[in-house]
Amino acid sequence: DQQVKQNSPSLSVQEGRISILNCDYTNSMFDYFLWYKKYPAEGPTFLISISSIKDKNEDGRFTVFLNKSAKHLSLHIVPSQPGDSAVYFCAARWRDRDDKIIFGKGTRLHILP
Amino acid sequence: EAQVTQNPRYLITVTGKKLTVTCSQNMNHEYMSWYRQDPGLGLRQIYYSMNVEVTDKGDVPEGYKVSRKEKRNFPLSLESPSPNQTSLYFCASRRYGNTGELFFGEGSRLTVL
Repeated sequence: DQQVKQNSPSLSVQEGRISILNCDYTNSMFDYFLWYKKYPAEGPTFLISISSIKDKNEDGRFTVFLNKSAKHLSLHIVPSQPGDSAVYFCAARWRDRDDKIIFGKGTRLHILP
Repeated sequence: EAQVTQNPRYLITVTGKKLTVTCSQNMNHEYMSWYRQDPGLGLRQIYYSMNVEVTDKGDVPEGYKVSRKEKRNFPLSLESPSPNQTSLYFCASRRYGNTGELFFGEGSRLTVL
């Protein structure tokens, strides 16, 4: 039973355009949502997070939007740069389950020149 | 430098030959966890520890063993490895109670023949 779903295994975007990565969740008990970025041969690194009581969080080129009624979040990258090519994992924290972090399967983002 | 260190980074072994992957963090984090990453399955939690001498099963604990005798170390043992444990393994740590930001090691690629 997948509680955090990333339905697009991959996404290609032209350099300079907006990249939008999507994530859906099923568990209303999640209190924080996070995005991690992973390059080949490296461990994932934290990118940005959002509390379940907010609907938007911005950090430079990265913005995460949360739509609680739809149980959907998205990561926007503007403008997209070649170094953004990576796998992006959506994750959620389950506060009542020992702060368990549950990951989606990831979306591979390709930034095209 | 704050880091999570895993060893070995690469290992090829044979079915049934016990092995241990070490993990050490220098950030005084209470929480440590092991994940495995497999194609199409994302990051799945194997075991986690909320503090010294406290460990618990994640989503895929079968065939693995952990211990937490010191705060900084969280080794993962495969008592009798099988080919279905061929995977990329990540150790991660974080401060318990934070928003969920995990710090990951660089990964250990294990092949069981």
